[in-house]
Amino acid sequence: EVQLVESGGALVQPGGSLRLSCAASGFTFTTFSMHWVRQAPGKGLEYVSAISSNGGSTYYANSLKGRVSISRDNSKSTLYLQMGSLRAEDTAVYFCAREERSRELVHWGQGTLVTVSS
Amino acid sequence: DIQMTQFPSTLSASVGDRVTITCRASQSIGSWLAWYQQKPGKAPKLLIYMASSLQSGVPLRFSGSGSGTEFSLTISSLQPDDFATYYCQQYNYYYTFGQGTKLEIK
Repeated sequence: EVQLVESGGALVQPGGSLRLSCAASGFTFTTFSMHWVRQAPGKGLEYVSAISSNGGSTYYANSLKGRVSISRDNSKSTLYLQMGSLRAEDTAVYFCAREERSRELVHWGQGTLVTVSS
Repeated sequence: DIQMTQFPSTLSASVGDRVTITCRASQSIGSWLAWYQQKPGKAPKLLIYMASSLQSGVPLRFSGSGSGTEFSLTISSLQPDDFATYYCQQYNYYYTFGQGTKLEIK
C-alpha cells in the first residue's frame, strides 16, 4: 500500500525557517517524481513545488520561488521542503503527493500544518 | 503561468440533481486536466484525469469533458457523499489548480 506521511509542521515566527518531510513507503520511491501542494485555512489548493525522480530537476511556483527548496533522499525514501523567510500567508497545511507516470497526482499524504505567527 | 478559472465558486443542489462545474484555462492545455474532490480535513481525491478518463474506483455518475481551454465535470445524480469541494488542475505545463467549487446541499 502506498503511504505518504508528512511531518515537520510547527508554529514558527515570521522570518523563521522550517523543513518539512514526507516519508514514503509501499512503492519504489526512486522511480516517481514528487510534489508539494499547500492549502491555507479555509482556502483552495495551491501548487508549491516538484522534483524529478532522481532529484535532478525541480520546479517552484512563482509565489514561493526563492524562499523554498525541494529535495529528496532516495536512500531514505523521503521528500523534503525547506522553507525560509516565512510569512503569515505561508500558514497552511502542506501536502506531499506522488506523480503517476501519466502525470496525475493520485496518492497524497494527510498533510502537515505550518503556522506562521508571532 | 497557466491560470485556471473555475465556476461557480459555490453550487447549491439536491440529492438526485445533475450538476456541472466548469473550468477554463488561460491557454490551451490539450487534455491535460484533472478533477479532484476534497472533503474537510482530508487530502484531495483524484476523480478524472486526461479531461475525461475516470479514475479507478470512482463512481460512474462522475464524468469529465472538454479540451483546449474549456472543461467540465458533471455529476449525473448527486448522492449524499458527493457534497464536497471540487478542484480542476491543469498539468500541461507544471501544475495549477482552479479556485474550487463548493457543492452544498440545497
